[in-house]
Amino acid sequence: DTEVTQTPKHLVMGMTNKKSLKCEQHMGHRAMYWYKQKAKKPPELMFVYSYEKLSINESVPSRFSPECPNSSLLNLHLHALQPEDSALYLCASSQETRGGGIFQPQHFGDGTRLSIL
Amino acid sequence: GEDVEQSLFLSVREGDSSVINCTYTDSSSTYLYWYKQEPGAGLQLLTYIFSNMDMKQDQRLTVLLNKKDKHLSLRIADTQTGDSAIYFCAERRANAGNMLTFGGGTRLMVKP
Repeated sequence: DTEVTQTPKHLVMGMTNKKSLKCEQHMGHRAMYWYKQKAKKPPELMFVYSYEKLSINESVPSRFSPECPNSSLLNLHLHALQPEDSALYLCASSQETRGGGIFQPQHFGDGTRLSIL
Repeated sequence: GEDVEQSLFLSVREGDSSVINCTYTDSSSTYLYWYKQEPGAGLQLLTYIFSNMDMKQDQRLTVLLNKKDKHLSLRIADTQTGDSAIYFCAERRANAGNMLTFGGGTRLMVKP
């Protein structure tokens, strides 16, 4: 069982819809991540939040909009997606140490499988 | 080419040992990780090793790190059908904060 919970598990949406993916963790982690994973490929980093602030945006199109309302929650708002955006979207979290220090491993959720019609 | 490379596929018989290999190019790697992904699931952290170590053992799992050759391996003893999955190695580089660079994944198939 994963300690990072993602909802929904599956999502089918049209290209004109607006939907949101949700991620929650209660491990006290202050770094949270969104990844996109296509079939038979490794995860690709999309966004990183550190202490609820966006620290990394890997040149992701604006139709993906992340939000971190508090230290336990991470959302990914979707609007006007394209068929090529169909993928497994993974959330991860890790402890974070300001100013460096020992990095802790990332823990992943089970993902949301997104299909764009 | 990829910065972190893995062979695509490995097939073993149940009860045998499996060895999954990974090579990386960045000598500044600080931590190296092994993740397991079963069909329809996310990535499960199996184990990780700090770059100043050369071996770590955890029950049926043994990680070997050859820093000189930039080679990482994961040995699974007494492989079971439940070990069938995709295994990703990943590295964290010294200048990349908390970001990971993943290998392409190795699909392990365990035959009864």
